[in-house]
Amino acid sequence: QITLKESGPTLVKPTQTLTLTCSFSGFSLSTSGVGVGWIRQPPGKALEWLALIYWDDDKRYRPSLRSRLTIAKDTPKNQVILTMTNVDPVDTGTYYCAHTNPRAFEIWGQGTTVTVSS
Amino acid sequence: QSVLTQPPSASGTRGQRVTISCSGSRSNIGSNSVNWYQQLPGAAPKLLIYINDERPSGVPARFSGSKSGTSASLAISGLQSEDEADYYCGTWDDSLTGPVFGGGTKLTVL
Repeated sequence: QITLKESGPTLVKPTQTLTLTCSFSGFSLSTSGVGVGWIRQPPGKALEWLALIYWDDDKRYRPSLRSRLTIAKDTPKNQVILTMTNVDPVDTGTYYCAHTNPRAFEIWGQGTTVTVSS
Repeated sequence: QSVLTQPPSASGTRGQRVTISCSGSRSNIGSNSVNWYQQLPGAAPKLLIYINDERPSGVPARFSGSKSGTSASLAISGLQSEDEADYYCGTWDDSLTGPVFGGGTKLTVL
């Protein structure tokens, strides 16, 4: 059974760096075709894909946020880390990580809520 | 502004059939398969349809998907009150080299 769980700070100040961790079980990020993505949802708004990392360390980023995002995997720990620099109140929302194989987000975590405010 | 276009809302009565459309372009729907996600109130999204018309195990046969050219549709037959949710289409975009989502459709069961 595949499960994912997001963790990180609930409150971040503007200009700070946000670091989120996705801890998963039931699959390995060393298996061909497997990936983990990050998707966020501002309050009352639509889903917005942020970043993806695949088993072979191929990384993809939302073009408009590429300069602020870094995604990395820790395969032995079964974790994927997303870093977002220089956060702004518009980055407030719920952040989800999801398992992908290869291009549908098959299983989602419960999400973690992040508020950017001074 | 989402890359894929969905109607913001849809509605139907219990037992009715409802369809939700998703419009894209050659670089996304026109070149790749479409997935649909259901997000119940207060919950995380869940994969409902993948590769245009496939249902993951556990998804009722009342849900079906189709794709033609640069558009896709989700159909829900025998509408039930528990189907009240937000529905999102998603696919890969070859120009953006990443996934894209629609703006979501809020389904109300009257």
